[in-house]
Amino acid sequence: SQKIEQNSEALNIQEGKTATLTCNYTNYSPAYLQWYRQDPGRGPVFLLLIRENEKEKRKERLKVTFDTTLKQSLFHITASQPADSATYLCALGAGNQFYFGTGTSLTVIP
Amino acid sequence: DAEITQSPRHKITETGRQVTLACHQTWNHNNMFWYRQDLGHGLRLIHYSYGVQDTNKGEVSDGYSVSRSNTEDLPLTLESAASSQTSVYFCASSEQGAWVSEINEQFFGPGTRLTVL
Repeated sequence: SQKIEQNSEALNIQEGKTATLTCNYTNYSPAYLQWYRQDPGRGPVFLLLIRENEKEKRKERLKVTFDTTLKQSLFHITASQPADSATYLCALGAGNQFYFGTGTSLTVIP
Repeated sequence: DAEITQSPRHKITETGRQVTLACHQTWNHNNMFWYRQDLGHGLRLIHYSYGVQDTNKGEVSDGYSVSRSNTEDLPLTLESAASSQTSVYFCASSEQGAWVSEINEQFFGPGTRLTVL
C-alpha cells in the first residue's frame, strides 16, 4: 500500500539549533513534494515545494532536500525559534492524487 | 484580501442526516479540494475539482459528494452521515500547476469540526 512516514515522535530542540524533520515514502513516484506548517486549530500553511528534478530548495531559514533514490525528503529549520513550534506536514503529488503524511510535532525550547 | 472561508465552523448532526459543508474562495483559483483530518491518519483527500463542472474522487470519497457550479464554491455533501465521518474537514484551493494534475501551493480554510452522533 502507499505510505508516507514522518518522524512519529515529537521533536524537541533547543532554540538556535537546527531542526531536521524526515519524510519517507514508499510505493510512489512523486513528481513533487510540498511541506506545510499547521498550528493547533488552524488549516495548514504552505512553506515549500520541491520537484523531482531538484535536489534542494531554500527559503529564508528553511531548506528542503528531495532524494528520489532514497525516497526521502528532509526539512531543515536553521536557527530555530520558539515561534517555529508547530506540526509540519509533508505532502506529495503522484498522478492525480495528493497525499499527506501524519506530520511531526516540533517544539523549540527557549 | 483574497481568502478561503468555510461554514459552519462547528456542526453536530445525527446519524443518517444529510449535511452540507460550504467552502468559498475569492482567490479565483481553478483547483479546489476537500480533506478530512483525523488523529493517526493525517489529512486525506476526499474530492477535488480542477474547474467548473469538473469533480474527481480522492482517496476517501465513499459517502461524500461535491459539485462545482462556479469558480468560487465547492460544497461538500454527506448524503447520510455516519459516526465514522466525525472529523475535521478542510477545504483548500490552488492555482493550476504546470500540468493539469500538478497541485501548486494550496491555501487552506480554517476547517469545520463535524460531529455525527
